[in-house]
Amino acid sequence: KNQVEQSPQSLIILEGKNCTLQCNYTVSPFSNLRWYKQDTGRGPVSLTIMTFSENTKSNGRYTATLDADTKQSSLHITASQLSDSASYICVVSASGTASKLTFGTGTRLQVTL
Amino acid sequence: NAGVTQTPKFQVLKTGQSMTLQCAQDMNHEYMSWYRQDPGMGLRLIHYSVGAGITDQGEVPNGYNVSRSTTEDFPLRLLSAAPSQTSVYFCASSYWGHVSYNEQFFGPGTRLTVL
Repeated sequence: KNQVEQSPQSLIILEGKNCTLQCNYTVSPFSNLRWYKQDTGRGPVSLTIMTFSENTKSNGRYTATLDADTKQSSLHITASQLSDSASYICVVSASGTASKLTFGTGTRLQVTL
Repeated sequence: NAGVTQTPKFQVLKTGQSMTLQCAQDMNHEYMSWYRQDPGMGLRLIHYSVGAGITDQGEVPNGYNVSRSTTEDFPLRLLSAAPSQTSVYFCASSYWGHVSYNEQFFGPGTRLTVL
């Protein structure tokens, strides 16, 4: 069964600090991996999409890494801001069919003063 | 562009009532889908459509119906609401070709409570 596991479940950091969120997956055959940011009460918004051949992808202060061999990904947030407080969802896509997106349960990040 | 819009934003139903959640997109996306999001669980696919007149079931389709008469609209109907359908519902759209390669755009969600 395809699964996506994220850790930690929640995280509190001080503004200005860096943090790294983890995603492990067992999805086959792998197509791509996505990170979404979901603000409270809003829909998810895409941060990055990474295919098998991409190891690192950045979007401003967000940097995602992918190790397709170990089936792990991380999302690194640099110099956190209060606006980074949100849930971050890892989504893995399997190739070959339209509906095969497997969603993680998310990491809830709170950035405080 | 407004992107993906959903109405209503909040809804309270009694058990057994029916209702339709509306979803529209103005990006000319072929692929549209409905998800539900429950605490402690990842988003789960309810139904999806790859174009007008074409729909298919996702992971949790029971108790829901969909239709796709136009490219822009993809309503989700609850036939007889049950407390287990209390959830936050998201509509999403993307270009077709293959959804797994295309970025999905999500609507703001509808929070549904069934008493």
